Amino acid sequence: KAGVTQTPRYLIKTRGQQVTLSCSPISGHRSVSWYQQTPGQGLQFLFEYFSETQRNKGNFPGRFSGRQFSNSRSEMNVSTLELGDSALYLCASSFRGGRLLYNEQFFGPGTRLTVL
Amino acid sequence: KNEVEQSPQNLTAQEGEFITINCSYSVGISALHWLQQHPGGGIVSLFMLSSGKKKHGRLIATINIQEKHSSLHITASHPRDSAVYICAVRWAAKDTDKLIFGTGTRLQVFP
Repeated sequence: KAGVTQTPRYLIKTRGQQVTLSCSPISGHRSVSWYQQTPGQGLQFLFEYFSETQRNKGNFPGRFSGRQFSNSRSEMNVSTLELGDSALYLCASSFRGGRLLYNEQFFGPGTRLTVL
Repeated sequence: KNEVEQSPQNLTAQEGEFITINCSYSVGISALHWLQQHPGGGIVSLFMLSSGKKKHGRLIATINIQEKHSSLHITASHPRDSAVYICAVRWAAKDTDKLIFGTGTRLQVFP
């Protein structure tokens, strides 16, 4: 079974631009969560999508948004980039359904975003 | 105060040593994860546990729900165990699934 894939792996943008990152979950997984990792703040939860609906959102400004498609693939968008948005963005997928509320999360390799 | 505290922040060991990393949390949880992150960023989930103890090879994870504490043990450590180990607590309910992370423990194992 293929793992979680993220594209692109590396990205360089300038302040004020916007960026879209993509995450393809493991086949059969319907939950996708996004995380931001920076040296100063560590790993922080951005949001979770399940069945095309945002289920939970972390404490990030509205410039950070996302969506999920019917095939469970997810995208996150950051508008009006700031220098502080430079980070590793990770997504993780898990199976959610039936009697299980949650299951193990499998992480993608991440997209390293540099904002100049 | 962070909701998830890890100790130590940095750890060095000689190959073969027994290693313990601790995680304390202050919130109610559905489960606790131990994650491993190698240089370059890739994260691997080592354990997800909600009670008791789990073992996988040389790795052992324990959790005490009443004391809100978990430990990750590595027996017979090896240089390839060098990585950052991250504890994350999970709150999952019908409409939400969220992880809160500790700051990580950087482990270096020397031959």
